[in-house]
Amino acid sequence: LAKTTQPISMDSYEGQEVNITCSHNNIATNDYITWYQQFPSQGPRFIIQGYKTKVTNEVASLFIPADRKSSTLSLPRVSLSDTAVYYCLVGDETGANNLFFGTGTRLTVIP
Amino acid sequence: ETGVTQTPRHLVMGMTNKKSLKCEQHLGHNAMYWYKQSAKKPLELMFVYSLEERVENNSVPSRFSPECPNSSHLFLHLHTLQPEDSALYLCASSQVRPTGSNEQFFGPGTRLTVL
Repeated sequence: LAKTTQPISMDSYEGQEVNITCSHNNIATNDYITWYQQFPSQGPRFIIQGYKTKVTNEVASLFIPADRKSSTLSLPRVSLSDTAVYYCLVGDETGANNLFFGTGTRLTVIP
Repeated sequence: ETGVTQTPRHLVMGMTNKKSLKCEQHLGHNAMYWYKQSAKKPLELMFVYSLEERVENNSVPSRFSPECPNSSHLFLHLHTLQPEDSALYLCASSQVRPTGSNEQFFGPGTRLTVL
């Protein structure tokens, strides 16, 4: 089971770019990296997923180095509504590995 | 209705009560999940159903009993719960494919309080 490690919390001012890094040293060849966002008293929401290099969608970018032992979620120009907990998960389709959420990173956006 | 729905949204029960949580997904997915989230704790995976068969039972006490009658519905039957079982119970669904993503879609959750 690939374990992930993230910072417990981060603060950022509105309008800044936020980068949250996740370590996953034991990532397996078939594993994908998935990030979720969770607001209080709500279920997590999928943000982005990648396997290698860079993935970008309308919400965020995901940077994955060649060794895939870490990944960085990049949120451009954050707003107050981006205050949430962000989870990094690692796993493949055939097992339940990518169903285990860690403690996540609590991002607080400051006016 | 779209996405994943859960009922009830809030539930208060005594330790001797029997209640059930209901989850329904309208996404045509083939896998459904129950998670528990206690205050200031990570999500804990409880049960996984894939193609209506239970494939994961993460050491959950027997006072929690899941049921998946078809690919769209998932229940969590509760009986003789303890106050420490008070938590947000989240249901999710996904489409399990041979390769690629297993993006989960979560419901809004049921806030359970055990007195």
